[in-house]
Amino acid sequence: RKEVEQDPGPFNVPEGATVAFNCTYSNSASQSFFWYRQDCRKEPKLLMSVYSSGNEDGRFTAQLNRASQYISLLIRDSKLSDSATYLCVVYSGNTGKLIFGQGTTLQVKP
Amino acid sequence: NAGVTQTPKFRILKIGQSMTLQCTQDMNHNYMYWYRQDPGMGLKLIYYSVGAGITDKGEVPNGYNVSRSTTEDFPLRLELAAPSQTSVYFCASSYTGGLTDTQYFGPGTRLTVL
Repeated sequence: RKEVEQDPGPFNVPEGATVAFNCTYSNSASQSFFWYRQDCRKEPKLLMSVYSSGNEDGRFTAQLNRASQYISLLIRDSKLSDSATYLCVVYSGNTGKLIFGQGTTLQVKP
Repeated sequence: NAGVTQTPKFRILKIGQSMTLQCTQDMNHNYMYWYRQDPGMGLKLIYYSVGAGITDKGEVPNGYNVSRSTTEDFPLRLELAAPSQTSVYFCASSYTGGLTDTQYFGPGTRLTVL
């Protein structure tokens, strides 16, 4: 089983739609969680950290469920500019390293 | 403040050739990392460094070597290139490498081995 798993998609949604991505992780010792955004052929950039109580940044909401070992990202009122690949990233306490999921691709259409 | 810079942007190598991918950061970060990203996959850690003179292996170090003689530079050396090393290589840096520390990535080097 992969340490971090995501549905690769692609998710094709119309502008204005709400879309949610899930990510599961296998190591219960994982301590920090992040969502990174990667545009086509570009470098990943931090979108948001995921806190245990959940957090919101504008149209983006991240949730963490430690009992079920999954993280979610909700995007409301999708914009064309949201089209990208969203990488779920977990900080492994065992190794002190970031573990990246394969990414979920979002395509927002007019 | 350029952040993390990488050279070259693109490179085509023949099997058995060697090359060095350059990475420089100007943020005075202690931690630096090298990742590779294969098509449709997440990033895999090749090597990392916690400071000048200190390096350690990541998940996929075979076929690569690194050095860290200064805080700013972290070159990645490919010896005897193989087609399996065709990938996009990202260098990243962070200040402390801790639980909540953000990693900043360079623009990547796209390497093809034929």
